[in-house]
Amino acid sequence: EPEVTQTPSHQVTQMGQEVILRCVPISNHLYFYWYRQILGQKVEFLVSFYNNEISEKSEIFDDQFSVERPDGSNFTLKIRSTKLEDSAMYFCAISGGNYGYTFGSGTRLTVV
Amino acid sequence: AQSVTQLGSHVSVSEGALVLLRCNYSSSVPPYLFWYVQYPNQGLQLLLKYTTGATLVKGINGFEAEFKKSETSFHLTKPSAHMSDAAEYFCAVIADTGRRALTFGSGTRLQVQP
Repeated sequence: EPEVTQTPSHQVTQMGQEVILRCVPISNHLYFYWYRQILGQKVEFLVSFYNNEISEKSEIFDDQFSVERPDGSNFTLKIRSTKLEDSAMYFCAISGGNYGYTFGSGTRLTVV
Repeated sequence: AQSVTQLGSHVSVSEGALVLLRCNYSSSVPPYLFWYVQYPNQGLQLLLKYTTGATLVKGINGFEAEFKKSETSFHLTKPSAHMSDAAEYFCAVIADTGRRALTFGSGTRLQVQP
């Protein structure tokens, strides 16, 4: 059983629509992260979340993006109004205090 | 600012041959260094990491990497390639005090020829 489960595995959405990507860690961890990988490019950091608030974010993580842990279990990434350039694989990751990161298998987001 | 450079976007080796994937980083503080592998249509799997201590780090699947501060390098090696090693390999670094975000290199695609 994977330590981090992401749903859905693939989502297709129309430009301008809101999407919510979900991440469910199997056990409690200190840190939660979202990364993305545009097809054929490197993996890029979006945001990290610690103690129920954002601890770091990149320039990519603008006002269109938000994260939360609504029920203390799920960790979600919301994109309010999707653009074509948001099409990418989005990875959730978790870690404890020892920099042992575990990545989920990703959600492929396709914006049409 | 931190950065990671992976030399060679594609590397091809014969089965049984030495695998060498190169990674150089820039950092003004002692870095934490990582290698991840990505198989097609899958997520990132940690191969190994260096944080402190011994500079030669052994990971899964027979891979190892050596942290060389003088060369700002963290090259990944495996003595004998296997067909199942064919994948994309990413080097990553945390090189800013107090940060936890990983900065990834652009990746190296390893092909293993029979």
